[in-house]
Amino acid sequence: DAKTTQPPSMDCAEGRAANLPCNHSTISGNEYVYWYRQIHSQGPQYIIHGLKNNETNEMASLIITEDRKSSTLILPHATLRDTAVYYCIVRTGVNQGGKLIFGQGTELSVKP
Amino acid sequence: DGGITQSPKYLFRKEGQNVTLSCEQNLNHDAMYWYRQDPGQGLRLIYYSQIVNDFQKGDIAEGYSVSREKKESFPLTVTSAQKNPTAFYLCASSIGQGFYGYTFGSGTRLTVV
Repeated sequence: DAKTTQPPSMDCAEGRAANLPCNHSTISGNEYVYWYRQIHSQGPQYIIHGLKNNETNEMASLIITEDRKSSTLILPHATLRDTAVYYCIVRTGVNQGGKLIFGQGTELSVKP
Repeated sequence: DGGITQSPKYLFRKEGQNVTLSCEQNLNHDAMYWYRQDPGQGLRLIYYSQIVNDFQKGDIAEGYSVSREKKESFPLTVTSAQKNPTAFYLCASSIGQGFYGYTFGSGTRLTVV
């Protein structure tokens, strides 16, 4: 699976959009981009995933560049409860032995 | 409610003792996984199982053992051979190969003294 690069930390004002970037320049054509988040001392929570097209669900939007070498997770109206570590993960749709490889992630702090 | 349960939340053991962490799911998921997380680090895969009576080593399986006798259960034993067992352990499950995401438990924090 391709490697991802994320900034270690970011701040966001409550009520504003939080835009979390992820670089995955070695992504292959059959690899998907997944986002999870982990609130302190809890298990990670699935947020969204996509291949080429932009995706949106009730939690967030995922914008993938046309060359697929980077993506951005958007939390449209961040709240204090969105403070967490956000992980960007690249993996194939066909499982490579069940591996979901977590990097260091981005620690997002939402401030009042 | 369907979910994945890990118990206990906190566990203390003396050095040299084996300890078993419980993971139970009632989601009817085929696959289950064990991850380890150290402070300030991402998750690392220990073992995973895609069907009953079958499991594979992850990236850091040394010093750990698992069993998958029932679809609902995937216990992890931390043996005395694990050199640095103090960590946060997370269990997860998924439908099939996890394409639509993994469901994680709330974790067990193991401290070996």
